[in-house]
Amino acid sequence: GAGVSQSPRYKVAKRGQDVALRCDPISGHVSLFWYQQALGQGPEFLTYFQNEAQLDKSGLPSDRFFAERPEGSVSTLKIQRTQQEDSAVYLCASSFFPGSFPYEQYFGPGTRLTVT
Amino acid sequence: QKEVEQNSGPLSVPEGAIASLNCTYSDRGSQSFFWYRQYSGKSPELIMSIYSNGDKEDGRFTAQLNKASQYVSLLIRDSQPSDSATYLCAVIMGQNFVFGPGTRLSVLP
Repeated sequence: GAGVSQSPRYKVAKRGQDVALRCDPISGHVSLFWYQQALGQGPEFLTYFQNEAQLDKSGLPSDRFFAERPEGSVSTLKIQRTQQEDSAVYLCASSFFPGSFPYEQYFGPGTRLTVT
Repeated sequence: QKEVEQNSGPLSVPEGAIASLNCTYSDRGSQSFFWYRQYSGKSPELIMSIYSNGDKEDGRFTAQLNKASQYVSLLIRDSQPSDSATYLCAVIMGQNFVFGPGTRLSVLP
């Protein structure tokens, strides 16, 4: 079956613009995660959904970042009034196992955001 | 502070040798550990998961876990140039999936 997909793959935004990044998880996967990965670093946790419920958003760096998963499938990460420090690759991952214990996660190809 | 530490490398090994990648973590209560491989410009790809102390083998890969020492490692036997990538250690701490910074491995032909 299809893996995790993300769109767009690349996004260039001018400072101050709003952006929306989409993640389509593996069908049937209950858990969905967003990460931010800076160059040369490991992924940093942003937020976690179980179905449509956002169970943890402790990693969101500011109130300019907002994520939703209204029907428990596709998720959107929105960044308002983008700043240069938001430039990174945004990775989405999904996991089959329900509950708060994520187990193995499978990653999408990522969206590379560049803020100019 | 929840931390996962890895030597950033680069770790260079000749083709056919054993590559040894190490990871330490701060949360003594962690129970689940993962190794991911990430090629340049690509997303992380799951290689191994390990939950119990000891060794777990899968093909040329062996994961080793020592919870008392808060240490997990990945051995790659018969290293190939195609193994050249960044290897990320990930640990579940509480309800968070915490990644290390990754070790860059270079396998020289």
